Amino acid sequence: EVQLVESGGGLVQPGESLRLSCEDSGFTFSSYWMSWVRQAPGKGLEWVATISKDGSEKAYVDSVKGRFTISRDNAKKSLYLQMNSLRAEDAAVYYCARVPRAGGSYWGQGTLVSVSS
Amino acid sequence: DVVMTQSPLSLPVTLGQPASISCRSSQSLVHSDGDTYLSWFQQRPGQSPRRLIYKVSNRESGVPDRFSGSGSGTDFTLKISRVEAEDVGVYYCMQATDWPFTFGPGTKVDIK
Repeated sequence: EVQLVESGGGLVQPGESLRLSCEDSGFTFSSYWMSWVRQAPGKGLEWVATISKDGSEKAYVDSVKGRFTISRDNAKKSLYLQMNSLRAEDAAVYYCARVPRAGGSYWGQGTLVSVSS
Repeated sequence: DVVMTQSPLSLPVTLGQPASISCRSSQSLVHSDGDTYLSWFQQRPGQSPRRLIYKVSNRESGVPDRFSGSGSGTDFTLKISRVEAEDVGVYYCMQATDWPFTFGPGTKVDIK
């Protein structure tokens, strides 16, 4: 069974960087597009970034373009989100998610990113 | 960006009774490939989101058949035929037809 485990969250100051990781314990990681979705405290869900199966295609929500970079290492069955120039409004629980257009959606438990001086 | 709206935003329900949530998009969600990429997610308190429905009306594996999705174009509905206690949570619709993918604001379902 697919299990997605995020790590790398924490407390940082505005302007600092953080790298999130997500490891897939299943066997089909390289067969799926993968995404990061975030949820600010007490708020709704926001799609952040998505990457294609081989990493050649990437898409970002406008608010993180130029600051965040999504990447993956299929050999390590891992997904990453490099977050630079963090702002207070980036504070959220970040979920690693496999959300194919057909069936078979899986989400991690989330990792909390706090941005405060 | 495609704007997703939901109504109601709060839905008190009686156990065993039906419930319905509406979702509307600011533009048609019919993709150039002919499919409509509208999904419904459930987020129980303290848990990660879980997708219930994909492509308007297809249930994910393991989702009880009391959940059903319908609609077309810009208007969609999630129905729960008989609400159970475990259905308490926030329900989101989401479109994956156009980038960036966007979610509705969520509908909080609780028991009267």
